[in-house]
Amino acid sequence: EAQVTQNPRYLITVTGKKLTVTCSQNMNHEYMSWYRQDPGLGLRQIYYSMNVEVTDKGDVPEGYKVSRKEKRNFPLILESPSPNQTSLYFCASSPPVGPNTEAFFGQGTRLTVV
Amino acid sequence: QKEVEQNSGPLSVPEGAIASLNCTYSDRGSQSFFWYRQYSGKSPELIMFIYSNGDKEDGRFTAQLNKASQYVSLLIRDSQPSDSATYLCAVSYSSASKIIFGSGTRLSIRP
Repeated sequence: EAQVTQNPRYLITVTGKKLTVTCSQNMNHEYMSWYRQDPGLGLRQIYYSMNVEVTDKGDVPEGYKVSRKEKRNFPLILESPSPNQTSLYFCASSPPVGPNTEAFFGQGTRLTVV
Repeated sequence: QKEVEQNSGPLSVPEGAIASLNCTYSDRGSQSFFWYRQYSGKSPELIMFIYSNGDKEDGRFTAQLNKASQYVSLLIRDSQPSDSATYLCAVSYSSASKIIFGSGTRLSIRP
């Protein structure tokens, strides 16, 4: 089954404690990205990757890091989480952007930083 | 000005009626346009995409694109309670290899 898998689904952590949210896809997609979703703000792109070892900042990259060592995995790293990073996070993958590119989303990770 | 704008709603439509959702975008270089449906607490799922001017129909859903006026719309015919969700408009830019999402319109179908 084609899917994007995120872990964990729910996470409560304390300010400053480093955490990693994993994302894995089994569709051999080149393009992967991370979004955060906050009420009234829609999906905002944090980072994206066009292929292995190729990453770039999205619209809201501050406080986040990513890596793309393998095509299937694209972890999101919060080195020192703060309460303003409390949000719902989605990982997505897709083929290279084109006329009919569909983004496939993971189940989401609800992060609370206290 | 936001790149992709949607009315946040909520839009309330009686069951069986036509729901009309609208989206405007600012960049004329936009290539493709997508409508995603998102139930509360769930991930977005693609309903339709369109990249040519005009209408595209798929079952009860019709996407309409007008590039001159820079808007895209989604019509849902014979609305059902299960259509109650947030609908996200998304625009892709191949030159930038990115997809921009609007903030979504919350649709409520009342029995």
